[in-house]
Amino acid sequence: DAGVTQSPTHLIKTRGQQVTLRCSPKSGHDTVSWYQQALGQGPQFIFQYYEEEERQRGNFPDRFSGHQFPNYSSELNVNALLLGDSALYLCASSLLAAQDNEQFFGPGTRLTVL
Amino acid sequence: AQKVTQAQTEISVVEKEDVTLDCVYETRDTTYYLFWYKQPPSGELVFLIRRNSFDEQNEISGRYSWNFQKSTSSFNFTITASQVVDSAVYFCALRANFGNEKLTFGTGTRLTIIP
Repeated sequence: DAGVTQSPTHLIKTRGQQVTLRCSPKSGHDTVSWYQQALGQGPQFIFQYYEEEERQRGNFPDRFSGHQFPNYSSELNVNALLLGDSALYLCASSLLAAQDNEQFFGPGTRLTVL
Repeated sequence: AQKVTQAQTEISVVEKEDVTLDCVYETRDTTYYLFWYKQPPSGELVFLIRRNSFDEQNEISGRYSWNFQKSTSSFNFTITASQVVDSAVYFCALRANFGNEKLTFGTGTRLTIIP
């Protein structure tokens, strides 16, 4: 049973560019959450997708957008990249109807903005 | 708003010693979950333990144990007989409201086990 997978593993972009990160949830899961983890900090919630809709959103600007596909996989898009967007981006999946709603995390995508 | 504070930035102990990681949380919700996650150098967050706000009973699971005290809003985590493989960054997290899945994390404690 494959866990949460993310691609790419590493990415280097320059300021002003756009980036797309991808996440495939654990088998059987229907909800995907994205987190940003800056160096030396804890993960910060960006947003969550369920049934192809954004269900919750954290305190991130509109430059951060996402999408969920019918197969439950998800993309995170960041436009007009800033140096401060350099971070580890973590995807987590869960089953909304499950009693404990436990989130399983992927290995992350490390984004470097130069 | 929810907040999680991990005052210990870094801890180093000699192998086989016991170590306790501190966590203090703030929430206005009456129902919530508390978690501990481990993040090894590979970056993936590994779930360790979960406790809901209804149950203050402290438990032991192998070398892990936790002390949940609602009166002081603390959720401390202890590793007994530490091993080098325990070296990692440990995060305490809070999820307020059943069904609300957003996790609020602390800033983490870097634990180094010295052989």
